[in-house]
Amino acid sequence: NAGVTQTPKFQVLKTGQSMTLQCAQDMNHEYMSWYRQDPGMGLRLIHYSVGAGITDQGEVPNGYNVSRSTTEDFPLRLLSAAPSQTSVYFCASSPLIPGSHNSPLHFGNGTRLTVT
Amino acid sequence: GENVEQHPSTLSVQEGDSAVIKCTYSDSASNYFPWYKQELGKRPQLIIDIRSNVGEKKDQRIAVTLNKTAKHFSLHITETQPEDSAVYFCAAWGFMIKAAGNKLTFGGGTRVLVKP
Repeated sequence: NAGVTQTPKFQVLKTGQSMTLQCAQDMNHEYMSWYRQDPGMGLRLIHYSVGAGITDQGEVPNGYNVSRSTTEDFPLRLLSAAPSQTSVYFCASSPLIPGSHNSPLHFGNGTRLTVT
Repeated sequence: GENVEQHPSTLSVQEGDSAVIKCTYSDSASNYFPWYKQELGKRPQLIIDIRSNVGEKKDQRIAVTLNKTAKHFSLHITETQPEDSAVYFCAAWGFMIKAAGNKLTFGGGTRVLVKP
């Protein structure tokens, strides 16, 4: 199993550009989520999904869209990049709905995004 | 929503001493509390977790305690070694009323430095 795969590893955008961060998992996990981590800071939840076709907002959803058309993929779209979105983005998945079966979150290796 | 506070933000200990990190949470419905370790430039990785029906759990030099009444939980690292130097995050699963699911909320992190 590859686990949770994020692409790209690095990305530089200009203000106003849009792009999609890709996240795929091959573990048949129902739960997937996106976090951002600013330098020296904690992890803040952007969006999450408990299964195909179901998504919900986290703490900091503004400026980002997600969709979950398959169990495996959970892309994160930046609609119009801003310097405040410069951060490291982590995708994470879990085999079951967290809380009901207490399954640990598996993280991808992250995407380092810089918006100039 | 759930709010997780973590203290201290930085912790410097001498090799061989113990390190203690404390977290409090706000949502009394939370029932799962994982701890993650993040080394520089790497993704967070689960090191230990505890469920709400357990008061303490140990794994070699690491232990976690939970006080549901007071809504706080702690990570204890004994006989610290230089390789324990990292950022540690606590987290809590916060339940939401709507069926979309619930989400994992992280504390702000503790940077631990073990001095040889």
